[in-house]
Amino acid sequence: TQLLEQSPQFLSIQEGENLTVYCNSSSVFSSLQWYRQEPGEGPVLLVTVVTGGEVKKLKRLTFQFGDARKDSSLHITAAQTGDTGLYLCAGGGSGGSNYKLTFGKGTLLTVNP
Amino acid sequence: EPEVTQTPSHQVTQMGQEVILRCVPISNHLYFYWYRQILGQKVEFLVSFYNNEISEKSEIFDDQFSVERPDGSNFTLKIRSTKLEDSAMYFCASRYSGNQPQHFGDGTRLSIL
Repeated sequence: TQLLEQSPQFLSIQEGENLTVYCNSSSVFSSLQWYRQEPGEGPVLLVTVVTGGEVKKLKRLTFQFGDARKDSSLHITAAQTGDTGLYLCAGGGSGGSNYKLTFGKGTLLTVNP
Repeated sequence: EPEVTQTPSHQVTQMGQEVILRCVPISNHLYFYWYRQILGQKVEFLVSFYNNEISEKSEIFDDQFSVERPDGSNFTLKIRSTKLEDSAMYFCASRYSGNQPQHFGDGTRLSIL
């Protein structure tokens, strides 16, 4: 069974601070997605990383996929109150018709004004 | 931007009753999924569907569950005889092909009384 562990589970910071959250597994994933989920809504895709060592930037968010494709990190620079939410990582298996996602429990980020 | 839509947003049903959750995936997508999220827990895979048949299902997806794509646009999840433990958010997702990411709807909150 593939498992994804996310840390920390909860994070509360002040606006303007930097932060990093982590997503780790003992399994190799062909790709890894980061989603953000607001209360009462579905996960919204932020980024997909597929290549070991890949780094992607989305404005103030930087995503990195580990060289062995077992772990990933999300770094937010100068956090804003609008960044508050639940950040989920989800790993995808091999391609084809299956490609189910395995989710972590998420990191609940609160950015205080 | 095209999105996955789910109806109803909230469904309240008596235990033992049948319930059908509806999804309209993004129009050119070929792969369809149902996930569920019990309150306070992680998002869990239920079933994947491609080319008018189930391609994989989890151990949660027992004989009480079924999926159908009755026409070219809808994708439904039926729970034949609901149990209290079926109470959860149910998310539909779709993707186009290959390693394209999955896009999620906003979910149906199912409450079993």
